[in-house]
Amino acid sequence: AQSVSQHNHHVILSEAASLELGCNYSYGGTVNLFWYVQYPGQHLQLLLKYFSGDPLVKGIKGFEAEFIKSKFSFNLRKPSVQWSDTAEYFCAVNAPMNYGGSQGNLIFGKGTKLSVKP
Amino acid sequence: NAGVTQTPKFQVLKTGQSMTLQCAQDMNHEYMSWYRQDPGMGLRLIHYSVGAGITDQGEVPNGYNVSRSTTEDFPLRLLSAAPSQTSVYFCASSYSIRAGSNTIYFGEGSWLTVV
Repeated sequence: AQSVSQHNHHVILSEAASLELGCNYSYGGTVNLFWYVQYPGQHLQLLLKYFSGDPLVKGIKGFEAEFIKSKFSFNLRKPSVQWSDTAEYFCAVNAPMNYGGSQGNLIFGKGTKLSVKP
Repeated sequence: NAGVTQTPKFQVLKTGQSMTLQCAQDMNHEYMSWYRQDPGMGLRLIHYSVGAGITDQGEVPNGYNVSRSTTEDFPLRLLSAAPSQTSVYFCASSYSIRAGSNTIYFGEGSWLTVV
């Protein structure tokens, strides 16, 4: 079955620690990949996206992600987290239209909650 | 530029009541969709539309109805509310029918409680 897996349900870090959140997907062929962030009580905001080209993608607020096609992965990284990064992070994949008839809908992982201790 | 607008933001319903969550976008987007967000489940697709007059089911369509009579609006109807429909609902839109080829924009969410 088509799926997006996020490895960690809850990550707790101290400020200035480095962050890496895992994301794997199970689609074949061409994919588009996204990371969204949801701050407490707020809506989803796009952090970064990958459609094609350089597999290392830089997003807002110092986040970056690397697409590794051979590993079906799109891990999110940040060298030094801040207390304000406390939020829930969602990986999402666009299933191509010719794969399962999904019409291009975004499929989300279950999310990773990040808590940053000051 | 309002983007994607959802109303109401908060709603409490009694079991068996019906209601409509409104979603409107002013970006002339072809693609619109509804997701529900539940703790530990991420976001799951309820229904989507690739253009006016065209709708289709997503992963969790049961108990919900949609229509797309205009490009701008995509209301979500709960036919007979159940406690299992207590959730946060997000409307989303995108320019292209190939939704992932363009950024998807999300509304601010509608918090629904069914008692």
